[in-house]
Amino acid sequence: DTGVSQNPRHKITKRGQNVTFRCDPISEHNRLYWYRQTLGQGPEFLTYFQNEAQLEKSRLLSDRFSAERPKGSFSTLEIQRTEQGDSAMYLCARTSGGNTGELFFGEGSRLTVL
Amino acid sequence: GESVGLHLPTLSVQEGDNSIINCAYSNSASDYFIWYKQESGKGPQFIIDIRSNMDKRQGQRVTVLLNKTVKHLSLQIAATQPGDSAVYFCAENGGSGGYQKVTFGTGTKLQVIP
Repeated sequence: DTGVSQNPRHKITKRGQNVTFRCDPISEHNRLYWYRQTLGQGPEFLTYFQNEAQLEKSRLLSDRFSAERPKGSFSTLEIQRTEQGDSAMYLCARTSGGNTGELFFGEGSRLTVL
Repeated sequence: GESVGLHLPTLSVQEGDNSIINCAYSNSASDYFIWYKQESGKGPQFIIDIRSNMDKRQGQRVTVLLNKTVKHLSLQIAATQPGDSAVYFCAENGGSGGYQKVTFGTGTKLQVIP
């Protein structure tokens, strides 16, 4: 158990629909990350939160993507007007709270856009 | 810019043999590297890390070697077991102050032959 829960685990949607993913890390860690992983590739950084503040966003995060962490605990990632190119695994991660580079990932939310 | 990449997409190893997974990076200023293991259907899992002031670090059955001269690192797995079958990513951590800015490479799939 990595202390990160994500849901839904799988989402199939039609192009143009909106989808939302949720990440629940164990409560005492204030740093949270979202990554995207397409088939055969390594995870790509999307965005980073420290508490409720979104401190960094990747260029990959187009204006159709929005992430929030309203109370500094759980986080949501919403994709509006989905496109087939959005099909990927969306991974959420927390840190250990120390100074190591260890990220603890959830099992991800797999999105398929038809 | 930051870039990590792997030489081989797939590596097949007989059970009990040693495995060596290689990785090249391009940014000579990179100073913190991490290896992750990703099993099917799961998020990446931290294996071992190494900072640029070291050229070797050992864990349980794993050793990471760093050659800064040629910007190369490798992950060695001793006595490879079926449970080692996974995709392995090298990653570079460019963050500071508790922020873990982890950039992943493409990955090498390790197949262990029983």
